[in-house]
Amino acid sequence: DADVTQTPRNRITKTGKRIMLECSQTKGHDRMYWYRQDPGLGLRLIYYSFDVKDINKGEISDGYSVSRQAQAKFSLSLESAIPNQTALYFCATSRDRGSETQYFGPGTRLLVL
Amino acid sequence: AQSVTQLGSHVSVSEGALVLLRCNYSSSVPPYLFWYVQYPNQGLQLLLKYTTGATLVKGINGFEAEFKKSETSFHLTKPSAHMSDAAEYFCAVRDNTGNQFYFGTGTSLTVIP
Repeated sequence: DADVTQTPRNRITKTGKRIMLECSQTKGHDRMYWYRQDPGLGLRLIYYSFDVKDINKGEISDGYSVSRQAQAKFSLSLESAIPNQTALYFCATSRDRGSETQYFGPGTRLLVL
Repeated sequence: AQSVTQLGSHVSVSEGALVLLRCNYSSSVPPYLFWYVQYPNQGLQLLLKYTTGATLVKGINGFEAEFKKSETSFHLTKPSAHMSDAAEYFCAVRDNTGNQFYFGTGTSLTVIP
């Protein structure tokens, strides 16, 4: 079984709808991240969390919110989706501050019409 | 702030030829540097990383990269390309707090039979 899972893998929604993307991990890592990937722009950090009570904004947090329900779960919400939020979204984990490596989920492809 | 520049969004090589993917970074402190690979419809996977010590680092699948401080570069190479190397490659740097990672815009590698 995959260590970092994301649901759904694909989603189509309409402008103005609220949508939640979910990430779960079985690696026992403290740190979790949400990125979006756009062609030609690479990966950009949306939010990151170091534990259940520690949530931090990344480079492009406007229009997004997150919830760290447990060490293993980190959800990303689009409160009112807009077309320019169409992208590939990745969740990632890392063990702790001293850990250099991030482990990525398979991604969620989101289309906002 | 850290940043990463990948020269060439698309690189094509013949099977068996040298692979060279370029990465330059900016960092005010000694960096932690990474190369990740993304195969179609998958998440990112760590290829190799430089933290401290030897400046030539070896990774999976025959790839290696050399940290050159004077050139602020961390180029990825492989002596002989294989068809299975076709993928998107991302260079990344970890910030000096250890809290965030910054990714380049990616280089798509095509291997021609």
